[in-house]
Amino acid sequence: GAVVSQHPSRVICKSGTSVKIECRSLDFQATTMFWYRQFPKKSLMLMATSNEGSKATYEQGVEKDKFLINHASLTLSTLTVTSAHPEDSSFYICSAFQDRRNTEAFFGQGTRLTVV
Amino acid sequence: KQEVTQIPAALSVPEGENLVLNCSFTDSAIYNLQWFRQDPGKGLTSLLLIQSSQREQTSGRLNASLDKSSGRSTLYIAASQPGDSATYLCAVRGSEKLVFGKGMKLTVNP
Repeated sequence: GAVVSQHPSRVICKSGTSVKIECRSLDFQATTMFWYRQFPKKSLMLMATSNEGSKATYEQGVEKDKFLINHASLTLSTLTVTSAHPEDSSFYICSAFQDRRNTEAFFGQGTRLTVV
Repeated sequence: KQEVTQIPAALSVPEGENLVLNCSFTDSAIYNLQWFRQDPGKGLTSLLLIQSSQREQTSGRLNASLDKSSGRSTLYIAASQPGDSATYLCAVRGSEKLVFGKGMKLTVNP
């Protein structure tokens, strides 16, 4: 199947700093990518839809100035957690569909963010 | 608003059992349904994708069925093995977005 690569897999940062997470589609072009956050024993929560060449669409309750998304090319989307706080500590996962309709969603390996 | 439910939240079985994992959803207007496996601290691995027009899909020891009208899907795992231990999530796709259940944590004991 298609491959989505996410980097880094783990990151520890200090409160107040910013962290960038990359999501790449390795063998296909993805005009749309999705960023999720996963809490322990909870469903994956969709944070935003990343659109190549345009602004991301954020889900209700997600601060767009806190979670900056850039989708500058057809194979790369980045999520930057700005001015991180301990409550931002979580598991973040990106995904992409191989093409627009009725296809599988492929996920990255996830990034464990710990803010200390 | 679409809601996806997986019950039970956890299951522990001895090796060799045939298993049925359940998934239900409230809105039958879906494009497809996908089953995933997640190992601790890892991303999601796609197991099976069932299009809305299909009734089942098979891959090795896995078989997934879909009854769209009743809002149900089942994932059947034959002859379970300790390596099947993981969290299994189902997700339905309506338009662009996937909506996930909370997952079911499976432990297969040797």
